[in-house]
Amino acid sequence: EVQLVESGGGLVQPGRSLKLSCAASGFTFSDYYMAWVRQAPTKGLEWVASISYDGGSTYYRDSVKGRFTISRDNAKSSLYLQMDSLRSEDTATYYCTREGYVMDAWGQGASVTVSS
Amino acid sequence: DIVMTQTPSSQAVSAGEKVTMSCKSSQSLLYSENKKNYLAWYQQKPGQSPKLLISWASTRESGVPDRFIGSGSGTDFTLTISSVQAEDLAVYYCEQYYDTPYTFGAGTKLELK
Repeated sequence: EVQLVESGGGLVQPGRSLKLSCAASGFTFSDYYMAWVRQAPTKGLEWVASISYDGGSTYYRDSVKGRFTISRDNAKSSLYLQMDSLRSEDTATYYCTREGYVMDAWGQGASVTVSS
Repeated sequence: DIVMTQTPSSQAVSAGEKVTMSCKSSQSLLYSENKKNYLAWYQQKPGQSPKLLISWASTRESGVPDRFIGSGSGTDFTLTISSVQAEDLAVYYCEQYYDTPYTFGAGTKLELK
């Protein structure tokens, strides 16, 4: 069974940093692109970033470019999202997703609140 | 960016009804080389993560009931639920994966009449 388990969420002040982690199991992690998708409270879904099989290619939405860094450790079957210079508009539940063209598996989400 | 527009934003339904919802993209999602539409549908129930229902505009994921039918091509797509069940009450999102940034529609919320 495919499982994606996020961790690292919490309350953080504007301008500070936070790092999310996602532990994957039930599939060969290195065979898949991976992505982060977020959902602000009572809002819709928003793709944040994707990373290729070996981490050699990364893709970001414009609003997080230069502030967020997606990375992976295939030996640990883990995905990460380093979030710097956080803003109030980054407040959301962040989902780790497996990207086989489509997002075909989702974690339960990690809540990130950016507030003073 | 490709803009995804979903209508209606909400719909009140009764069990057993046929439901259709629309998703339109601001540019074609049909890739000429493989003739595939890069369009997916997701279901999100309250308090849960989204779940992939349909990819390539019309291919149901394993385990998805056959009452969920995806159709359309190019810029116009439809999700049909042939006979709505109580467990189908959720928000449904379409998503284009033709190009980054991948973008989602705002969702169609199915509510009980």
